[in-house]
Amino acid sequence: DTGVSQNPRHKITKRGQNVTFRCDPISEHNRLYWYRQTLGQGPEFLTYFQNEAQLEKSRLLSDRFSAERPKGSFSTLEIQRTEQGDSAMYLCASSAETGSPYEQYFGPGTRLTVT
Amino acid sequence: LAKTTQPISMDSYEGQEVNITCSHNNIATNDYITWYQQFPSQGPRFIIQGYKTKVTNEVASLFIPADRKSSTLSLPRVSLSDTAVYYCLVGERADGLTFGKGTHLIIQP
Repeated sequence: DTGVSQNPRHKITKRGQNVTFRCDPISEHNRLYWYRQTLGQGPEFLTYFQNEAQLEKSRLLSDRFSAERPKGSFSTLEIQRTEQGDSAMYLCASSAETGSPYEQYFGPGTRLTVT
Repeated sequence: LAKTTQPISMDSYEGQEVNITCSHNNIATNDYITWYQQFPSQGPRFIIQGYKTKVTNEVASLFIPADRKSSTLSLPRVSLSDTAVYYCLVGERADGLTFGKGTHLIIQP
């Protein structure tokens, strides 16, 4: 296992379409996080899972956004009825329960462009 | 959540030591200080974490004074590939990281 992987790496979609991203964390990590990053800004926290339980959601996560981690392994982030303001890099990170929650390992991200 | 303040940008030259200071006046007793590095179009990478005094690893050193109201990330003998954004984070809870805008470090030849 070489790290956190995310698919797809790039997604271009038209406004109003639904998109789904996948994150595969480091296999022994039971904490999984989603972040969003726009140009010139640091990543912004969206949501956090411990195993399959979604424990925290940011106010940024509107009702058009939904995240799942059904078996406590990979996770998906779906955006419904995309808007141009959703264009951003979506980052996934994982960390080990036995380690510091501030030591997170990030994937390469999925860059979403909404036209 | 403790607020952090760090320079928006810094310049240096190859082979120099670079020190990036972060202020966190409201740090709580249980908070750790963590630094991340981010290259363009990549996810952030964990560099180093400390609670007090000095921590060193193969990438950097982290200096934390006794009052813990600031910290300094030290990068020894930088190269062009150290050009990146460096983020200082303070906290200890598992409910997601809060990144600021970071410090844009530019290394010139």
